[in-house]
Amino acid sequence: GQQVMQIPQYQHVQEGEDFTTYCNSSTTLSNIQWYKQRPGGHPVFLIQLVKSGEVKKQKRLTFQFGEAKKNSSLHITATQTTDVGTYFCAGPRQAGTALIFGKGTTLSVSS
Amino acid sequence: DVKVTQSSRYLVKRTGEKVFLECVQDMDHENMFWYRQDPGLGLRLIYFSYDVKMKEKGDIPEGYSVSREKKERFSLILESASTNQTSMYLCASSFTTAWADEQYFGPGTRLTVT
Repeated sequence: GQQVMQIPQYQHVQEGEDFTTYCNSSTTLSNIQWYKQRPGGHPVFLIQLVKSGEVKKQKRLTFQFGEAKKNSSLHITATQTTDVGTYFCAGPRQAGTALIFGKGTTLSVSS
Repeated sequence: DVKVTQSSRYLVKRTGEKVFLECVQDMDHENMFWYRQDPGLGLRLIYFSYDVKMKEKGDIPEGYSVSREKKERFSLILESASTNQTSMYLCASSFTTAWADEQYFGPGTRLTVT
């Protein structure tokens, strides 16, 4: 069945280091979405990418959608303690309006 | 701002009890979703609804049912709670049925079944 995979599952960095999480889909996606869940919180929508090869930036966060629209990445430059949390990618299911989520990458940052 | 509320943040129930988890959204969204979140397993879709009285099974519907009698309210029902249903339950909603739109999540209900 359709799958969305994320790596790594966990990442620990020192404050100021960069961080990247990768998302791979078993199927071509019409869009990819990224969510962030802070510890003890709920997932919050960050961004949606639609076009092949699209790159979007939000301050220190850079999101990329692959040319084949089957993979995506989130890169954080110079991490801060406020970046701590779990980052999920999600793509549309093959039928309907539901999403299929990756298992997430949990980022911890030490100062 | 979209607001999705869930009836309880924490709930403790006994094995065999019937459990109702309620979710309400205030932005006239078409779609509503129920997920469970367990460590290492991410967000798994239980059921979703794209219209009043309409429902679709997700990946793990066994042991659960849902009800959507009004557009703003989506209920998850555990007919006979079991210990393996101890989990964090998240409700979400999204605006349109035209495509898989961004989802807005509620704060979650941590359910413990003893």
